[in-house]
This record gives sequence, structure tokens and C-alpha cells, in this order.
Amino acid sequence: GIQVEQSPPDLILQEGANSTLRCNFSDSVNNLQWFHQNPWGQLINLFYIPSGTKQNGRLSATTVATERYSLLYISSSQTTDSGVYFCAASGAGSYQLTFGKGTKLSVIP
Amino acid sequence: DADVTQTPRNRITKTGKRIMLECSQTKGHDRMYWYRQDPGLGLRLIYYSFDVKDINKGEISDGYSVSRQAQAKFSLSLESAIPNQTALYFCATSGGTGANVLTFGAGSRLTVL
Repeated sequence: GIQVEQSPPDLILQEGANSTLRCNFSDSVNNLQWFHQNPWGQLINLFYIPSGTKQNGRLSATTVATERYSLLYISSSQTTDSGVYFCAASGAGSYQLTFGKGTKLSVIP
Repeated sequence: DADVTQTPRNRITKTGKRIMLECSQTKGHDRMYWYRQDPGLGLRLIYYSFDVKDINKGEISDGYSVSRQAQAKFSLSLESAIPNQTALYFCATSGGTGANVLTFGAGSRLTVL
């Protein structure tokens, strides 16, 4: 099945800083999503982005399917951005999303 | 009320006991999923269902069974719980215009002693 790798595994930012999280995948994808898990464990979908670029407020995401990676950009980070960010993908002909191990983001005041 | 509701939210049980985790949704989605999260391992798919008569095994189905009682209800059972099934379990749904976008429940934390 498809392999999903995320980097970096941990990231500490000062409030107000920008960051880029990366997701590499091993095969062509028909589905790619970014999620945020807050410190209380809740998982929220951020983007459905198998290709192209999307923006939602301070967050944006870009997937370059031909080069098998996706990037999540966080601008002007806030303490509420803390948590774990997961990338999940499924390959052609599959309905099973494979999750990466996540990037743990800590935003300090 | 939450779109995807999981019960119980926390459960402590003993080895060998039968456990059922329940999930109900009000989103009208046809697809439902059970995932397991272990520290440092991300989420792994246990079972998924695309409608009441369609049940599929995921990556780690051994030791688990599921029942899709209705479009809105999908339960996960551990017939004889063992300690390495201690984990955080998530139910998720997808469907409608956002057919591929997952909506997660709040999670059920299970501890098997």
C-alpha cells in the first residue's frame, strides 16, 4: 500500500512565526487530506487536497501530485495552532486512507 | 449535538472481557469508519462500511468485529479484549458532496488491564 511520511516530527515555534509541514507519499494519490488533532484529542479536517492549492485563513496547502508531496503552511502562528498535524492519503483504486505519523507543533507565547 | 457521537468516551476493562464501542452520526453520510490511534503511530484503519450491507476489513482488523445496524450507526466490538488493544479509537464518516472528506467523532479511550 501507499506509504506516507511527514516531516519534521516535532516543531516548536514562537507565536507569530510561520511554518511549513511536509508530507511525502510513495504513489499517485486519489485522496489527500490534512488534519489537526488538538491537545484534547479532537481531529479536525483542514483540507481535502489531492492536487493544487487551497487557502483557509492563515492556513494553506499545496499538493504537487507529480512529485508526490504536499505542504501545509501556517502563517502568523497562534498558541491555538498547537497539536499534531496529520497527512493522510489513499492511492488509485483504494478507499483506505493511510495516515502519516504526524508533526507535533508547539506554539509558545 | 455533535455530528458524530461515540460512546463510551472512556472505558477501563479487564483482559478477556467483551467490549462494544458505539458510533452514531447525524450527517446522513453513507460511509463510516473505525480507526485506532496509538502514540507515535498515527491512525490505522480497522474496518469501514460504505452502506448497511457493505463491511470491509481495514489494515488491522484481527481481534475486532463490526456491525452496521443502520445507516447512522456503526459499532466496533472486541470479543475478548487484550492489553495491546489499549488505544484511542475514532469513528469517522464521509459522504454527500464531500464524499472523500472525513469527519471524526471525539474518540473513545479504551484501557485493557
